[in-house]
This record gives sequence, structure tokens and C-alpha cells, in this order.
Amino acid sequence: AQSVTQPDIHITVSEGASLELRCNYSYGATPYLFWYVQSPGQGLQLLLKYFSGDTLVQGIKGFEAEFKRSQSSFNLRKPSVHWSDAAEYFCAVRYGGSQGNLIFGKGTKLSVKP
Amino acid sequence: SAVISQKPSRDICQRGTSLTIQCQVDSQVTMMFWYRQQPGQSLTLIATANQGSEATYESGFVIDKFPISRPNLTFSTLTVSNMSPEDSSIYLCSVEDRPNYGYTFGSGTRLTVV
Repeated sequence: AQSVTQPDIHITVSEGASLELRCNYSYGATPYLFWYVQSPGQGLQLLLKYFSGDTLVQGIKGFEAEFKRSQSSFNLRKPSVHWSDAAEYFCAVRYGGSQGNLIFGKGTKLSVKP
Repeated sequence: SAVISQKPSRDICQRGTSLTIQCQVDSQVTMMFWYRQQPGQSLTLIATANQGSEATYESGFVIDKFPISRPNLTFSTLTVSNMSPEDSSIYLCSVEDRPNYGYTFGSGTRLTVV
């Protein structure tokens, strides 16, 4: 079955430190890849997406992600974390030929130490 | 991108009753998706709603429990029927923003069943 794996349930980083959140997807042709952020009590906000082209994509709030087909990965990065980045991060995939829904990973909760 | 108005934002309901959640989109969209997010969990697709046809339900979800209406291209409702405490979750609607294949989510309905 098609799936998305976020291996880290909870990550804690110090403010100002760099961040990398991992995401792997099961094999599938032409995946469309997304990262969403959900702050406590809030809805989902799209950080960035990858459909095709340049494998390094830039998103909002200083986030970027790199698509690596050989590793079936789409890791999210940020060079310097701010306290306001503390939230839950979800990786999601839409596979080509599906009915259009997203498949979500289980999420990674990010805590930021002062 | 599309803007979704979802209501109610939260509710506390008695077991055995039903709650209808509404999503209004500011543009016409073909498909609308309904997700459930159980406490501390990721998003799980309940069903896909196309205008003019019956909703397509995912495994584990049935129409009698989660009836969906899609009367036009901008509106949909999800009803959670005969509720039990296990139905306590956040319910979100989503649409696909063509042509760039982004997805927008409603702000969610936080349901507590007592």
C-alpha cells in the first residue's frame, strides 16, 4: 500500500539551530509531495510543495525541502529555527493516477528550546 | 488559492446525537475531501465528495455513520451520526486547488463527544 513515513515522532532543537525533518514515501510514479504545518489549535498550513523540476524547493517561513527520487525522500529543512516554529509537521503525498486525495505521514512534533 | 469556511469550529455533543459540519469554498471545485484527525494522530481520509454523485468512502468508514452531501461545486456537509466518545476528533475538509495541485484545508471542527 502507498504510504508516507515520518520516522521522527518528536524532535527538540535549540532556537537558532538548524532543523531537518525526514519524510520517506513508498514507491510510486510521479509523486506530488507536500509539507504542512499545524500549530496547536490551528488548521493546516502549506509550507511547500514539489511537483516537478528543480528538486530543491523553497517554501514559506524560511523552509526548504529537497526531493531525492533515489532515496524516495522529501526532507524538510530550515537553517535557523525560531521559537514560533514549534508545531506539528506533516509530510503528505499524492500519487499520480489516484483520485486526488493526500496520504499523510504520522507527523513530527517540533519543540524549540530557548 | 481557494478559501474554505468551515463550521462549527468546535462542539461538545452528547453520545447518540448527530452533528453536521459544513464547508463552503469561495470557488468551484470538483472534489472535496473529508479527513479525520484523532487526538495526537495524523489525518485519515474519510471520503471524497464529487458534485452530482455519491461520495466515495475509504475502508473503515461507512455512509450510515458519515453521510456526506455535495449539492453544488462550492459546498459540502459531513454528518457524524449516532456519536460515541470514540468519534471525538478534529474533522477537516479540503479541496484541491487546480491547476497547481495544491490543497487547501478548512480550519477544522474539534468535536468532543461526552
